[in-house]
Amino acid sequence: AQTVTQSQPEMSVQEAETVTLSCTYDTSESNYYLFWYKQPPSRQMILVIRQEAYKQQNATENRFSVNFQKAAKSFSLKISDSQLGDTAMYFCAFIGGTSYGKLTFGQGTILTVHP
Amino acid sequence: ETGVTQTPRHLVMGMTNKKSLKCEQHLGHNAMYWYKQSAKKPLELMFVYNFKEQTENNSVPSRFSPECPNSSHLFLHLHTLQPEDSALYLCASSQAQGGGGGTDTQYFGPGTRLTVL
Repeated sequence: AQTVTQSQPEMSVQEAETVTLSCTYDTSESNYYLFWYKQPPSRQMILVIRQEAYKQQNATENRFSVNFQKAAKSFSLKISDSQLGDTAMYFCAFIGGTSYGKLTFGQGTILTVHP
Repeated sequence: ETGVTQTPRHLVMGMTNKKSLKCEQHLGHNAMYWYKQSAKKPLELMFVYNFKEQTENNSVPSRFSPECPNSSHLFLHLHTLQPEDSALYLCASSQAQGGGGGTDTQYFGPGTRLTVL
C-alpha cells in the first residue's frame, strides 16, 4: 500500500518570502503521479501542481515549484514570493499507475502567511 | 456553472433521517469520486465510479449508498448515520483511463459539511 507523509503539521512565513513544504511517500510502483493540493478556509480543494514520476524535470507553476527526488521518494513544494492568499492547508497526494483513481493524501500542512 | 458543484453545502441531520448529497461535474469527465474529510485525519477515498460503474468501495459502511446515474452526476444517499459520520464530504471528477479511474488529475467540488446529531 502507498503512504504519503507530511511531517510539518504547521508552518508560517512572512509575506514575500519563500517557504518549502515537505512530503515523502512510499511505493513499490515505478510509474506514478504526485500532486500538491491547496485547501483554503473556504474548504475548496484546489490543484496547485502535478508531477509525473517519469519526468526528470521538476514541475513549476508560476510561484510554485517542486523538488522531486525519486530515489529518496521526496516531493517538496516551494512557494516563492508568498502572498496572503497562500494561507491554506496544503496536501501532498499520490496516485499509482495501477491505482485506478485511488488518490492517497498526506495529513496536510497548515501554512500561514503573515503580513 | 463551471467545475464541480455540490449541494447542499451544509447539512444537519438526525441519526434516523434519510438525506442525499448531490455532485455535478461540468468538465466532461467520466470518473467521479466521493471522499470523506474528518478532523485530524487524512482524506479518505470512499467510492470510485468510472463510466457510471462503481469500481471501488473502500470498505464503506452500508449506511452510505452511492448512485451514479450518468457521468455528470453522483449522489451519496445517507441513512441511519452515526455522530462519527460528521465530516466534510468531497466530490471529485477526472478523466478515466481504461477500466478504472486512471491517473488523471482529480478536480474537487466545494464539499458538503455534514453534521449528525
